[in-house]
Amino acid sequence: DQQVKQNSPSLSVQEGRISILNCDYTNSMFDYFLWYKKYPAEGPTFLISISSIKDKNEDGRFTVFLNKSAKHLSLHIVPSQPGDSAVYFCAASEGNNDMRFGAGTRLTVKP
Amino acid sequence: ETGVTQTPRHLVMGMTNKKSLKCEQHLGHNAMYWYKQSAKKPLELMFVYNFKEQTENNSVPSRFSPECPNSSHLFLHLHTLQPEDSALYLCASTLLAGATYNEQFFGPGTRLTVL
Repeated sequence: DQQVKQNSPSLSVQEGRISILNCDYTNSMFDYFLWYKKYPAEGPTFLISISSIKDKNEDGRFTVFLNKSAKHLSLHIVPSQPGDSAVYFCAASEGNNDMRFGAGTRLTVKP
Repeated sequence: ETGVTQTPRHLVMGMTNKKSLKCEQHLGHNAMYWYKQSAKKPLELMFVYNFKEQTENNSVPSRFSPECPNSSHLFLHLHTLQPEDSALYLCASTLLAGATYNEQFFGPGTRLTVL
């Protein structure tokens, strides 16, 4: 039972444009959401998070939006840079319980 | 060395071999995890150790055997694996502190190939 889904396996954008990565979840009890970024030959690294009491969290070029009614969150990167090219994983947890991950979206930012 | 380290980074083994994966964290965390990442699939949580006690085993076959001798070290012992066990095995750690959620820190992973 895949509770966190990233339906787009890949995304390609031009440098300087906005990248929007999407994530859907099925468990309405999830109250904490995270995005991780993974480069080849490295482990995932934490990027940004949001709790269910908020609908937006911003950190520099990265903004995460949460729509609880739709059970949907998205990561916006603007402006996108070639160094942002990586696989992005969405994750969710209920309280302090274990995280559930999506399958990842490979982002390619073209110069 | 800081962060979460994993050794070896790459491992090729036959189905009859016995090998172990090692994970070490230098972050003062009290929980450690083993994940399996297969191609185009979500990270699958395998084992969880909180304060050195195993708290979760997500129906992982017995050919995978975890060991957590202390809060800084985590092992995954492998024996009689199958080719479908070939994957990237990731270790992660976090600090569990009451109701506060902290993100997990991942190691670089061990790329395992079972022949």
